[in-house]
Amino acid sequence: DVKVTQSSRYLVKRTGEKVFLECVQDMDHENMFWYRQDPGLGLRLIYFSYDVKMKEKGDIPEGYSVSREKKERFSLILESASTNQTSMYLCASSRGAGFQDEQFFGPGTRLTVL
Amino acid sequence: EDQVTQSPEALRLQEGESSSLNCSYTVSGLRGLFWYRQDPGKGPEFLFTLYSAGEEKEKERLKATLTKKESFLHITAPKPEDSATYLCAVQGNTGGFKTIFGAGTRLFVKA
Repeated sequence: DVKVTQSSRYLVKRTGEKVFLECVQDMDHENMFWYRQDPGLGLRLIYFSYDVKMKEKGDIPEGYSVSREKKERFSLILESASTNQTSMYLCASSRGAGFQDEQFFGPGTRLTVL
Repeated sequence: EDQVTQSPEALRLQEGESSSLNCSYTVSGLRGLFWYRQDPGKGPEFLFTLYSAGEEKEKERLKATLTKKESFLHITAPKPEDSATYLCAVQGNTGGFKTIFGAGTRLFVKA
């Protein structure tokens, strides 16, 4: 089974702090994604990556950056955390080019910015 | 613009009371429509992929169907353990690997 792990389940940070959320997948998937999930809004795509060192902006990239130095690891960075970035963050992976296939999700990180 | 709308927002059923969840979508060239289940405090878990109108897939008490404008997730004789949020998502031809998710339907099944 594909396993996607995220570095923290719960995180509390202060406004202005730099925040790192890490995600690791163990099935050699090409694609990796970062979403945030807020009540009533569903999952919104922040960034995705279809190859090592490649990244594409999603629908809400402002205030975020990403890093993918290794195929299995995709990091989300909040350069200067703000209270409106309090949310559930979900990482996902999928197989890759040519596949209209499902995404496998991690357990999520619930981030609170005070 | 690709869009997914799910209804109802919440659905309360008695155990054994069958019903359907709706997912209406607009997309430029459907590559795939996905259903996921999400339990509280967890990440979504994949259920089905549908690729073309007329396609149907089943898994235990769940059956997903697809038309050119909407998909239904039919739940037959639900049990309390089917309580969860069900998410619908679409992937179109113009978005690369982008997948657009609906806001979900929260299902509560009472024993």
